Order: sequence, then C-alpha cells, then structure tokens
Amino acid sequence: EVQLVESGGGLVQPGGSLRLSCAASGFTFSSYWMNWVRQAPGKGLEWVANINGDGRQKNYVGSVKGRFTISRDNADNSLYLQMNSLRAEDTAVYYCARRGDTWSNFDSWGQGALVTVSS
Amino acid sequence: QSVLTHPPSVSGTPGQRVTISCSGSSSNIGFNTVNWYQQLPGTAPKLLIHTNSQRPSGVPDRFSGSKSGTSASLAISGLQSEDEADYYCAVWDDNLNGVVFGGGTKLTVL
Repeated sequence: EVQLVESGGGLVQPGGSLRLSCAASGFTFSSYWMNWVRQAPGKGLEWVANINGDGRQKNYVGSVKGRFTISRDNADNSLYLQMNSLRAEDTAVYYCARRGDTWSNFDSWGQGALVTVSS
Repeated sequence: QSVLTHPPSVSGTPGQRVTISCSGSSSNIGFNTVNWYQQLPGTAPKLLIHTNSQRPSGVPDRFSGSKSGTSASLAISGLQSEDEADYYCAVWDDNLNGVVFGGGTKLTVL
C-alpha cells in the first residue's frame, strides 16, 4: 500500500525558514516524479513544485521560485521542501503527492502538514 | 485568480445528475489531459478521474469525465449525500510550465 507521511510543519515568523519532509513507502520511490501541493485555509489547491525520479529536474510555481527548494533522498525514500523567506501568504496545509501517468495526475497523497507564517 | 474556471458551487438532490465544468485555454486543457479530484471535508484530495475520462479502481461509475476543446466536465449521476465535497480540475499549463488547479466547486446535496 502506498503511504506518504508529511512532517515538519509548524509556526514560523515572516522571513523565517522551515523544511518539510515526506516519508514514502509501499512503492519504488525513485521511479516516480513527486510533488508538493498546498492549500491555504479555506482556499483551493495550489501546486507548488515537482521533482523527477533522480532529482535532476525540478519545476516550481512562480510565487515560490527562488525561495523554496524541492529535493529528495532516494536512499531514504524521502521528499523534502526547504522553504525560506516565508511570507504570511505561504500559510497552508502542504501535501506531498505522487505523480501518476501525466503531469497533473496525483494518484496518492499524504495527510498534509500545516505551516503557519505569523508573528 | 486561477487560469481554470469552475463554478464556485453546484447543488442537487439525491438521485439527481449534476455537472461541474472546467474552462481553460489552448495552453492547458487544449493540449493536455485533465484530472479531477474530490476533497471531502477535512481530508486530503483524492484522484477521481484521470486522463480526461478514466476512473481509478474503486471509483464508482456514477462519476464520469469528458473533455472538448478547451473545456472539461465532471458529471455525477445518482447523487448521494456522501458526494458532498469540493471538486477540482487540474491540468499542466505549457505557458506556466507547471500544474494548475481550478478554483474548486463545492457540491451541496440538498
């Protein structure tokens, strides 16, 4: 059974940093593109970033380019999101999601990690 | 403001058929496949329809998807109270070089 478990969320001040982790199990992690998707309180879904199986290809939504970095450790079956220069508008539940057969096919999701940016 | 347009809400009575539209452009829906997600209150999203019209295993055949030109639709027939949720379309956008989601449609079962 595919399992994705996020961790590392919490409260951080504006301008601060946080690193989210996603532990994957139940599938060959290195064979899949992985994604981060976020959802601000009471709002819709927003794709944040993705990374290919060997970690060499990455894409980001414009609002986080230069501030967030997606990475992975295939030896540890883990996905990461390093978030720097955090803003209030980054407050959201962050989900990790496995890509299926097309770019926007997310066939498995974690339970989410809440990140709150506030002073 | 999303590049994909959903109605913010739809409603129906048990047993009824409802449709949720998703309107895009040539840079997204026009040339890429559409996926649909269901998000029940307080839970993570779940893949409902992939590749425009395919149902993952376990998704009832009451749910169906279609795509024509730069628009896509999700239809739910035989509406049930458990279908009350938020529904999102998603697609790759060639101009933005990223995935875009629709703003979401809240389905209320009256």
